[in-house]
Amino acid sequence: DIQMTQSPSSLSASVGDRVTITCQASQDISNYLNWYQQKPGKAPKLLIYDASNLETGVPSRFSGSGSGTDFTFTISSLQPEDIATYYCQQYDNLSYTFGQGTKLEIK
Amino acid sequence: QVQLQQSGPGLVKPSQTLSLTCAISGDSVSSNSAAWNWIRQSPSRGLEWLGRTYYRSKWYNDYAVSVKSRITINPDTSKNQFSLQLNSVTPEDTAVYYCARSPLYYGDYKKFDYWGQGTLVTVSS
Repeated sequence: DIQMTQSPSSLSASVGDRVTITCQASQDISNYLNWYQQKPGKAPKLLIYDASNLETGVPSRFSGSGSGTDFTFTISSLQPEDIATYYCQQYDNLSYTFGQGTKLEIK
Repeated sequence: QVQLQQSGPGLVKPSQTLSLTCAISGDSVSSNSAAWNWIRQSPSRGLEWLGRTYYRSKWYNDYAVSVKSRITINPDTSKNQFSLQLNSVTPEDTAVYYCARSPLYYGDYKKFDYWGQGTLVTVSS
């Protein structure tokens, strides 16, 4: 199975800050990389698909980039409602794996 | 708008069978353009995909290697829902279980765009 290494595991930032999370795959996954936001007690919510495509209805302050093994997720200007845990997820040949998550907190 | 509504018991005894159902509204379990998945989440294992069912002229199922010997996912077209059965459970199967939809996109099912509300299942005597 392809392993996903996400970093950092936690992050504290101020409102208005630019926030970046990275995800590294153990082998080439092309652009088959999605990003999710999960708030406490809720199901994950799809934000970015195919590495850089914004899901319908998701604010444009969220973005993603990368291909192959290295991927980046960015919040351009952190808002209070962005406090959550963020996960990357890859798809390869009938296998889906998730990163371990990045817990984002307000400083 | 697609909605997924989960139901099933929150407590299962060790060695017994975990059974959950996911009722679909706003789409069809028989759709040729979606797969229907079960995913679980626990502190020790994180988010873990368990398996899926989908219809492409006939029914298909795919299961994660980690649970392949114990899992069954079945569609129920009469009720527009699908179910999860996980046999011979142990305390390690304690988790929040989610159902989720994967749309067919460029020939494959790569993302999860709609999720159920989640069901905490505890395996304990």
